Amino acid sequence: GAVVSQHPSRVICKSGTSVKIECRSLDFQATTMFWYRQFPKKSLMLMATSNEGSKATYEQGVEKDKFLINHASLTLSTLTVTSAHPEDSSFYICSARDISAGDTDTQYFGPGTRLTVL
Amino acid sequence: GQNIDQPTEMTATEGAIVQINCTYQTSGFNGLFWYQQHAGEAPTFLSYNVLDGLEEKGRFSSFLSRSKGYSYLLLKELQMKDSASYLCAVVDSNYQLIWGAGTKLIIKP
Repeated sequence: GAVVSQHPSRVICKSGTSVKIECRSLDFQATTMFWYRQFPKKSLMLMATSNEGSKATYEQGVEKDKFLINHASLTLSTLTVTSAHPEDSSFYICSARDISAGDTDTQYFGPGTRLTVL
Repeated sequence: GQNIDQPTEMTATEGAIVQINCTYQTSGFNGLFWYQQHAGEAPTFLSYNVLDGLEEKGRFSSFLSRSKGYSYLLLKELQMKDSASYLCAVVDSNYQLIWGAGTKLIIKP
């Protein structure tokens, strides 16, 4: 089955530093990847949609200068949290859409990255 | 390895009841989520079980048996808007999410 990985799985950093999170589709190509944030009430908030070779589309209220997204290849998207602050501490989850699958709505989710900002 | 199994697709009739099963083999267990995802939209949180038993929330209920590595989502009084994919995800010992492939539920009038 389609596998999506994230790296790192957890990261602790000091306030003001930048953190990069990688999302990879391991056995399929993904023209579209999605970045989510999981809140303590377990809900998933879509932050942005990342399209290979073009600029990401951000959801309303998500700062594009703070959450930099790059989707340079069909198997890799990165999310960089710039100048992280404690309120950015969260669980970040990516998903990828398999372009070869007939069902273009299916997303495959990664295991998540837990970010803790001190 | 870690594995989550759920049926690929199910069909049910409006007004009826449907049970979507999820079995898991993971390294450790720290809870199980059910999410609903409509086509083209972000997943919506439905439930989180960490203890055995049944939790009811309106028309939706979720059951967990940790000893059997098994959960189900029960949907009652089905409505057409319940047509969606239902995702089962387990939190493993490293607090990472292991996702099922999702069950596409089709509701017929």
